[in-house]
Amino acid sequence: EAGVVQSPRYKIIEKKQPVAFWCNPISGHNTLYWYLQNLGQGPELLIRYENEEAVDDSQLPKDRFSAERLKGVDSTLKIQPAELGDSAVYLCASSLGTGSGDTQYFGPGTRLTVL
Amino acid sequence: GEDVEQSLFLSVREGDSSVINCTYTDSSSTYLYWYKQEPGAGLQLLTYIFSNMDMKQDQRLTVLLNKKDKHLSLRIADTQTGDSAIYFCAERPNNAGNMLTFGGGTRLMVKP
Repeated sequence: EAGVVQSPRYKIIEKKQPVAFWCNPISGHNTLYWYLQNLGQGPELLIRYENEEAVDDSQLPKDRFSAERLKGVDSTLKIQPAELGDSAVYLCASSLGTGSGDTQYFGPGTRLTVL
Repeated sequence: GEDVEQSLFLSVREGDSSVINCTYTDSSSTYLYWYKQEPGAGLQLLTYIFSNMDMKQDQRLTVLLNKKDKHLSLRIADTQTGDSAIYFCAERPNNAGNMLTFGGGTRLMVKP
């Protein structure tokens, strides 16, 4: 079974440019997560979807970040415009649901470098 | 800073046991997890423990949970060079949906 797929794996852009990341969760997983991982730190949750509904986006900087999961499967995370401080790894994870013991499975991440 | 704390670095010799420690803050946490991250890769779930357990063993991995002290440890027996990676512990508070709070990670270096 395929794991969580993310693309691109690496992205280098200049500041003020837009950028988008794509995630395809494990088949059948209803819950999808976007995490931000700064260098030398653990992941921090940006947004969580249950099917197509964003149920926790309190940590998403909404002035420049947006996300969507239109059909409850794939998801896109966008930054517009990007700032130097956005350089990080953006991880996508999915789980069956949010019930007890629902394990989150992570994709390989997209490493963003903003110049 | 994170609510979940880990030491930054651990170095062991191949064949020795490694013990990675973690302290967490939310006593309501129902599940505690250990993830492994190799360079350039995402997080791989190693094991987890439910809060009503104090120990879980899975092949070379042993997880110990001390709820009183909010302390979690991961012991890797017969550590191999392929175990070199960053290890993250994470807590899942009872009232936070499926949100995980991660520690900053412990980099394990295994010397041949």
